[in-house]
Amino acid sequence: QVQLQQSGPGLVKPSQTLSLTCAISGDSVSSSSAAWSWIRQSPSRGLEWLGRTYYRSKWYNDYAVSVKSRITFNPDTSKNQFSLQLNSVTPEDTAVYYCARVSSPYTNSWYEFDHWGQGTPVTVSP
Amino acid sequence: SYELTQPVSVSVALGQTARITCGGSNIGSKNVHWYQQRPGQAPVLVIYRDTNRPSGIPERFSGSNSGNTATLSITRAQAGDEADYYCQVWDSNTAVFGGGTKLTVL
Repeated sequence: QVQLQQSGPGLVKPSQTLSLTCAISGDSVSSSSAAWSWIRQSPSRGLEWLGRTYYRSKWYNDYAVSVKSRITFNPDTSKNQFSLQLNSVTPEDTAVYYCARVSSPYTNSWYEFDHWGQGTPVTVSP
Repeated sequence: SYELTQPVSVSVALGQTARITCGGSNIGSKNVHWYQQRPGQAPVLVIYRDTNRPSGIPERFSGSNSGNTATLSITRAQAGDEADYYCQVWDSNTAVFGGGTKLTVL
């Protein structure tokens, strides 16, 4: 049974870096049939996909255009987890952040988000 | 960028069938996934790849997809089905979500 456990601070100051971690159990961050995503949700933007990290003989990271210049994903195979870093945050980055697994059973195929973390509310405020 | 359009709200009488639509250009050529989100909780997958139900999702939930509209149907609606529902597709290697539909069971 796949479970995703999120951790990280709920309050970040403007211009600083938002950092969250998603610990995986029941699967591997290096799985060849999955990718690992971060998604955020706010009243103004709804559900917004931020990107994915996955391993296919080497590591790949794909980021949403809206945050591409500020975002980094880091998979950690030793701890079986992956993390999100979002730099130079503003109040517009206030949201609930989710990690999720993407089903990817075939090469270069992307399907449903079949497992989600519990969500971390993050507020950007002085 | 690709857009998915959902009605803001749908109401259904207890025991009747609710239908929630998701509109998008030629969406019938894409795989559509549906999520249920109750207040304060993470989304839960209820339909994947147009018509498939994950383990543990009641048979009352079904999906269809053709042309420019995908539809989530919930038969014999129950009070516990009240939630927000979101459709999702992939387009140009980007995950796209609909704006969500609030389902009210009367």
